[in-house]
Amino acid sequence: DVKVTQSSRYLVKRTGEKVFLECVQDMDHENMFWYRQDPGLGLRLIYFSYDVKMKEKGDIPEGYSVSREKKERFSLILESASTNQTSMYLCASSSPPTYEQYFGPGTRLTVT
Amino acid sequence: AQSVTQLDSHVSVSEGTPVLLRCNYSSSYSPSLFWYVQHPNKGLQLLLKYTSAATLVKGINGFEAEFKKSETSFHLTKPSAHMSDAAEYFCVVRRSGFQKLVFGTGTRLLVSP
Repeated sequence: DVKVTQSSRYLVKRTGEKVFLECVQDMDHENMFWYRQDPGLGLRLIYFSYDVKMKEKGDIPEGYSVSREKKERFSLILESASTNQTSMYLCASSSPPTYEQYFGPGTRLTVT
Repeated sequence: AQSVTQLDSHVSVSEGTPVLLRCNYSSSYSPSLFWYVQHPNKGLQLLLKYTSAATLVKGINGFEAEFKKSETSFHLTKPSAHMSDAAEYFCVVRRSGFQKLVFGTGTRLLVSP
């Protein structure tokens, strides 16, 4: 079974803090993704990576950065957390040929 | 560009009655289409996928969906709802050969006894 794990289920941070969200997959997938999920908006893509050290902006990259130093690990970084970044963050991975995405359980981040 | 529209934000059914969750897609190319389910406080799980083989696709837990090109639809159905089906469902499109998915805004399914 594919397993995608995320470092925290719940996180509370203060405005202005630097926040790291970690994601690890165990299926040697090439592609990894970070989404945020907000009620009524579905999932929106923040960043994705198709190889180690490679990244591409998604639909809402502002205020976020990412790091992929190893194939199995993809980190989302909030340089200076703001209250409008309070959300559920979901990580996913995929590989050809199906490109079916496998999701982690999510991290609910609250910024106060 | 690809997009999906989920026509209902909420659907309420009684246990044992049929489920219909509606999805229309827009794609200039031959798309792959998916339905994902998310139970409360859980990640997303793939229910089923269409990848240009059979137009009627069977998934897990008794769900199925039919790809109708003429109507640009990919509605999700189940003959008889169970309490455990209560969750949020996402219709998703992917352009062939590309890694990115485009998600609909979700339909919350409520099942009453």
